[in-house]
Amino acid sequence: DIQMTQSPSSLSASVGDRVTITCRASQSISSYLNWYQQKPGKAPKLLIYAASSLQSGVPSRFSGSGSGTDFTLTISSLQPEDFATYYCQQSYSTPRSFGQGTKLEIK
Amino acid sequence: EVQLVESGGGLVKPGGSLRLSCAASGFTFSSYSMNWVRQAPGKGLEWVSSISSSSSYIYYADSVKGRFTISRDNAKNSLYLQMNSLRAEDTAVYYCAREEITMIEENWFDPWGQGTLVTVSS
Repeated sequence: DIQMTQSPSSLSASVGDRVTITCRASQSISSYLNWYQQKPGKAPKLLIYAASSLQSGVPSRFSGSGSGTDFTLTISSLQPEDFATYYCQQSYSTPRSFGQGTKLEIK
Repeated sequence: EVQLVESGGGLVKPGGSLRLSCAASGFTFSSYSMNWVRQAPGKGLEWVSSISSSSSYIYYADSVKGRFTISRDNAKNSLYLQMNSLRAEDTAVYYCAREEITMIEENWFDPWGQGTLVTVSS
């Protein structure tokens, strides 16, 4: 099974900051990597698919990059509504494993 | 509007059974693979099971294999998860999610339902 490791586990930042979250796979997964955002009490929402493709309706301040084992999610200028928990997920093989999550909090 | 609505959660004793349902609307349900993903209280996301559009391919996480059964009824636009021999560690919010797959087999989960809470406790 493929293990996904996110860093950091939590992050404090201010509105307007540029933020980067990292996700590492235990083996190469090419570009089969997705990013989700989850707010408290809500279902996860797809942000980025196939490592770098922005889901329709998602603001352009979100971007994804990487391939192989190392991936990043970048938020170029944090907005108040971006404070949430972010998960990466590999879609290279079953089981479709998730990272442990990165909680983004207001500084 | 594409929508997934889960139901069937509740309180059940260890060793008991529960059947979750996910009602789909706003898209051609029979054309999509579907998944169950769960989230224990305060924890991260855990993929549970998937089923292909025609039910030909079914997969389970090791943690539920032999206890849970995924199924679907394309005529009723519905997805199911039969959960038997439930344990305290199965306590979680259970989400159903549609799987999008491209020609080169890139795939992702979108959208997700709102979730249904399963609590296993005596």
